[in-house]
Amino acid sequence: DGGITQSPKYLFRKEGQNVTLSCEQNLNHDAMYWYRQDPGQGLRLIYYSQIVNDFQKGDIAEGYSVSREKKESFPLTVTSAQKNPTAFYLCASNGGGADTQYFGPGTRLTVL
Amino acid sequence: QKEVEQDPGPLSVPEGAIVSLNCTYSNSAFQYFMWYRQYSRKGPELLMYTYSSGNKEDGRFTAQVDKSSKYISLFIRDSQPSDSATYLCAMSAYYGQNFVFGPGTRLSVLP
Repeated sequence: DGGITQSPKYLFRKEGQNVTLSCEQNLNHDAMYWYRQDPGQGLRLIYYSQIVNDFQKGDIAEGYSVSREKKESFPLTVTSAQKNPTAFYLCASNGGGADTQYFGPGTRLTVL
Repeated sequence: QKEVEQDPGPLSVPEGAIVSLNCTYSNSAFQYFMWYRQYSRKGPELLMYTYSSGNKEDGRFTAQVDKSSKYISLFIRDSQPSDSATYLCAMSAYYGQNFVFGPGTRLSVLP
C-alpha cells in the first residue's frame, strides 16, 4: 500500500527533552511538510522540503528542526526551545503532477 | 482578518440532510482549492480538489468556487452519520506554493 506513515502515534515528553517524530512516505513524492494542529486553529506550517537535502522554514519553525537526507523520510525534532509543544503533528507530501497534499495519520505529542 | 475563514461549528444536521460548508478568503490570487475531511485524532483525507472557478461533483459531494466573491463551498447530499467529522478547506495561489488552511468546521450528522 502506498501512503504516509508517522510514528509514534502518541508521544510523551518531559520538559527539557528533545523528541523526534518520524514521517515516511512511499508515494515517490518530492515535497514533504510538517504541520502543527491545535484545537480551534487551522494547520500551521512548521517546515517543508521540496527536494532532498533542502528544506525551508514555515510560519512557526522556532523550536523545531528537520532533516531531509532521503526522499522517503522527513523527521521532525521538537526541541526543548519550543515553549508549547503539546499538539497534534501532521506530516504531508505532494507530488506526481497534482497540486494536492496527502497526510499521514498524525502524532499526538504531550509534554508532561 | 485571517487569510482563510470558516465557521467552526459545530454544525448538527439530521441524517439525509443536505449540508453546506463554506470558506471565505481574502487573497484574490488563490486559484487552487481543496476540501479535506478529518475524523477525530486522524490525519486529514483529501475529498475534493478544484482549480479556479466552477463546480466539481464526486458522488454525494459537490465543490463550488466563486472567485468573484472569494467564497468556496462544499455540499454533501444525503448526509450520513459517517460524514460526521471536521471539514477543512485549503487553498494556494500557484502550483507548488504552500497551502493556507482554514480552521475547520465540525459537522455532526445525527441518525
